[in-house]
Amino acid sequence: IAGITQAPTSQILAAGRRMTLRCTQDMRHNAMYWYRQDLGLGLRLIHYSNTAGTTGKGEVPDGYSVSRANTDDFPLTLASAVPSQTSVYFCASSPTGGDTGELFFGEGSRLTVL
Amino acid sequence: GQNIDQPTEMTATEGAIVQINCTYQTSGFNGLFWYQQHAGEAPTFLSYNVLDGLEEKGRFSSFLSRSKGYSYLLLKELQMKDSASYLCAVTDSNYQLIWGAGTKLIIKP
Repeated sequence: IAGITQAPTSQILAAGRRMTLRCTQDMRHNAMYWYRQDLGLGLRLIHYSNTAGTTGKGEVPDGYSVSRANTDDFPLTLASAVPSQTSVYFCASSPTGGDTGELFFGEGSRLTVL
Repeated sequence: GQNIDQPTEMTATEGAIVQINCTYQTSGFNGLFWYQQHAGEAPTFLSYNVLDGLEEKGRFSSFLSRSKGYSYLLLKELQMKDSASYLCAVTDSNYQLIWGAGTKLIIKP
């Protein structure tokens, strides 16, 4: 089934540990995004990539890094996790960049940092 | 600053009609989206408006007034499965997508 796959689905992590959230899409979409969703707040963009080989910073990039080595994969890394990074993380893709089209979301990764 | 406002929570009765409002103040405008998100699940696309007026898609309709910075999502013939959060999002002049916090819709029998 075509779509976006995120892993892990859920993770509890000790503060200070390094963590990579994986995201893979098989729709050959050019643009990919990482959002975090917290209670009472709208989705906030962490990082994005309009095409393979390029990345950009979103609204809340500090403490996170991404890479886009190919079209399909867009991993998000927390170099040294802190409790404020406890959140639900959604990876998304769209056929073209520029936020003009429908976004397709993965099922989310629930991360708890203790 | 940029801001999207929508009610935090609404309650409606099965079979009825409900209107969820969204007002926005953004630097420019390049379109407005509505997404549905069931609890514990990913958001899914419902509608997109870039011109003023009403877009109808089955039981769901979305309206836009750019001069008023206002949109609404209209859900007819409500079903229990419509219980979800509804997210309003606006693309600004830099093609950045600004999200509202979402409206939790509770459907009662």
